[in-house]
Amino acid sequence: EAQVTQNPRYLITVTGKKLTVTCSQNMNHEYMSWYRQDPGLGLRQIYYSMNVEVTDKGDVPEGYKVSRKEKRNFPLILESPSPNQTSLYFCASMRGSNQPQHFGDGTRLSIL
Amino acid sequence: GNSVTQMEGPVTLSEEAFLTINCTYTATGYPSLFWYVQYPGEGLQLLLKATKADDKGSNKGFEATYRKETTSFHLEKGSVQVSDSAVYFCALGDASTLGRLYFGRGTQLTVWP
Repeated sequence: EAQVTQNPRYLITVTGKKLTVTCSQNMNHEYMSWYRQDPGLGLRQIYYSMNVEVTDKGDVPEGYKVSRKEKRNFPLILESPSPNQTSLYFCASMRGSNQPQHFGDGTRLSIL
Repeated sequence: GNSVTQMEGPVTLSEEAFLTINCTYTATGYPSLFWYVQYPGEGLQLLLKATKADDKGSNKGFEATYRKETTSFHLEKGSVQVSDSAVYFCALGDASTLGRLYFGRGTQLTVWP
């Protein structure tokens, strides 16, 4: 089954404790993205990747890092999380530019 | 630049009512347009898409027509059901901005029996 898998689905942690949210897709897609969803703001893109070792900033990259060492994986790293990063995060992949994106089920992060 | 503006919600309708959710866009290139749906507790799913002017996307009774002259992609359904209650997002993808999708803020739809 074609899917995008994120882990964990839920995480409560404290300010400053580094965390990583993993994302994996099994569709051999070139493009992958991370979004955060906040009430009243919709989805905002954090980072995106066009291929292995090729990433670029989206609209709200501050406080986040990503890496794309393998085509299937695109982890999101919060080196020093802060409460304003409490949000619902989605990973997505797509076959090519201008194509529909496939989304994971989301990761709800709470930073205390 | 690229942007999407969609109708503010929430929208509340009775079952079998007609639905319109407005979406307009600005784009620098020749975008593809999408509607995504998010059911409670789930990720976004593609509802329909259109890749060029005058294309009509349709799925599950929903339709949207890509209107270049009015830069619009309004979502419509003739008779909504309780199961259509969800958040709907209009989005734009442009081949000149590789890997990026631009989303509207989402419209919450609630359908009452």
